[in-house]
Amino acid sequence: DTAVSQTPKYLVTQMGNDKSIKCEQNLGHDTMYWYKQDSKKFLKIMFSYNNKELIINETVPNRFSPKSPDKAHLNLHINSLELGDSAVYFCASSVGLAGVETGELFFGEGSRLTVL
Amino acid sequence: QQPVQSPQAVILREGEDAVINCSSSKALYSVHWYRQKHGEAPVFLMILLKGGEQKGHEKISASFNEKKQQSSLYLTASQLSYSGTYFCGTDQGGKLIFGQGTELSVKP
Repeated sequence: DTAVSQTPKYLVTQMGNDKSIKCEQNLGHDTMYWYKQDSKKFLKIMFSYNNKELIINETVPNRFSPKSPDKAHLNLHINSLELGDSAVYFCASSVGLAGVETGELFFGEGSRLTVL
Repeated sequence: QQPVQSPQAVILREGEDAVINCSSSKALYSVHWYRQKHGEAPVFLMILLKGGEQKGHEKISASFNEKKQQSSLYLTASQLSYSGTYFCGTDQGGKLIFGQGTELSVKP
């Protein structure tokens, strides 16, 4: 059983398109995150949710919209894709409380987005 | 504020030791260490919660000096499986901010 799973693993799309990435965790954690890893391997936090509530929203363009239908799921929708959005997007979950304290992060396998 | 890691890259022979440093311009309350192998997700190694406290994982240990706002990761008698990119992360108000990573290559 995969603890944190993301789909799809690969997306190749044209500039201007819209795409979504889905994430599910079966660890019973209350907190979930989206991280972006660029080509230089820099891992940057984008969003975090506690039990479906948005807690952390870093300076991410409005084209990125996370949604958490329940505490086990966190999806990421990206509108009007740009070349600079090409990256690996990691979902993660933890026991810690976003905005208070970060516990051990369990990462999904990542979704590699390529914008042409 | 992103913590700064050094060195950026290191190449070792099996059995050699290495130290990776992580420093922050902000006060540190905890430091996290992760390892990411090529094409895989980052994997948790350890959290250091107290100044001066050392915690270990296999032959990997770490120290945390609150006063100097630094942490160091010690890899002893390195194995081929230690190859990967090591990230330190500092918890800043419930946001884990990662350093830029240190790429470690262990050669036979």
